[in-house]
Amino acid sequence: GAGVSQSPSNKVTEKGKDVELRCDPISGHTALYWYRQSLGQGLEFLIYFQGNSAPDKSGLPSDRFSAERTGGSVSTLTIQRTQQEDSAVYLCASSLGGRAGPETQYFGPGTRLLVL
Amino acid sequence: AQSVSQHNHHVILSEAASLELGCNYSYGGTVNLFWYVQYPGQHLQLLLKYFSGDPLVKGIKGFEAEFIKSKFSFNLRKPSVQWSDTAEYFCAVISTSGTYKYIFGTGTRLKVLA
Repeated sequence: GAGVSQSPSNKVTEKGKDVELRCDPISGHTALYWYRQSLGQGLEFLIYFQGNSAPDKSGLPSDRFSAERTGGSVSTLTIQRTQQEDSAVYLCASSLGGRAGPETQYFGPGTRLLVL
Repeated sequence: AQSVSQHNHHVILSEAASLELGCNYSYGGTVNLFWYVQYPGQHLQLLLKYFSGDPLVKGIKGFEAEFIKSKFSFNLRKPSVQWSDTAEYFCAVISTSGTYKYIFGTGTRLKVLA
């Protein structure tokens, strides 16, 4: 596609339920990133994929959070047993990847998660 | 640890006023620097970036930023703002030494009054 897409755009869930957030990166981009944008917290890094592997999961806030990427394309961020503090906008970004050094990342529209 | 500070959390300006948003980072090595903008209801978009070369970088919509290495700063400027510049602006840093994740500032909400 022309840009990074994410679904759903909004998700309201009850505390304790599991949620899955999806990211479809720009075609041809091998690097994929998840960030979280919380009110008053700015954007924080969660996890980075290069291809299907995740060399850096250091930003995942707890073991309730996991992510996978299949086929080097679509990624799913799963939050188990959601808590109210998980409420935030979850942003996905992608970049060309495959080379040493930093690159410009292109962001999707985000998924706004509200945990009641 | 790397960190990015944006000192102005909320800025209100009238149209045609000049804009300067501060961004300071903390990191001892070589960095690349970015400004992203998020217009109301839209996703983050790249405004400009500095990788190397001329420290005065020009971006879209008349924005520019100057990298001052000695001050660890990358302030964003625009000589004359427009109502359509109302948005949230984020400064981000990425280390050139093998890392790949952006460290973002907390953002500055700019409101331009018509």
